[in-house]
Amino acid sequence: DVKVTQSSRYLVKRTGEKVFLECVQDMDHENMFWYRQDPGLGLRLIYFSYDVKMKEKGDIPEGYSVSREKKERFSLILESASTNQTSMYLCASSPGVAGGRQETQYFGPGTRLLVL
Amino acid sequence: LAKTTQPISMDSYEGQEVNITCSHNNIATNDYITWYQQFPSQGPRFIIQGYKTKVTNEVASLFIPADRKSSTLSLPRVSLSDTAVYYCLPLTSGTYKYIFGTGTRLKVLA
Repeated sequence: DVKVTQSSRYLVKRTGEKVFLECVQDMDHENMFWYRQDPGLGLRLIYFSYDVKMKEKGDIPEGYSVSREKKERFSLILESASTNQTSMYLCASSPGVAGGRQETQYFGPGTRLLVL
Repeated sequence: LAKTTQPISMDSYEGQEVNITCSHNNIATNDYITWYQQFPSQGPRFIIQGYKTKVTNEVASLFIPADRKSSTLSLPRVSLSDTAVYYCLPLTSGTYKYIFGTGTRLKVLA
């Protein structure tokens, strides 16, 4: 079974703090993704990576950065957390080449972040 | 940005067939459409995927009309455990476009 794990299920941070969300997958997948999920807005892509050290912006990259130093690990960084970044953050991975037609994404359980 | 829309919510009774439609633009002949199911406090999980007119697996069917501007997820004989949010994801080959549908909250009633 594919397993995608996220470092925390719940996180509370203060405005202005630097926040790291970690994601690890154990199936040697090429692609990894970070989404945020908000009520009424569904899943929105923040960033994704198709290879080590490679990244592409998604729909809402502002205020976020990412790091992929190893194939199995993809980190989302909030350089200076703000209250409007309070959300559920979901990591996913998928096998195969980037932009491939047939990609099944496997999701982690999510991290619920509250920024005070 | 291409917009992928779904009905916000649907109610159904146990044992009924449920059809959830996803409307999208710019889907080519060989582009896949994937549907995911999400329970509270969990990440979405794969249900079904395809690019042909009809695809069926052990839990659902996927219908894509000739104009490819929509797709329909069909859940036969739903049960209470099918209560969840359902998302479609049209995949456009060769581009980095991962735009999920807006999600449909399905509530199955006894």
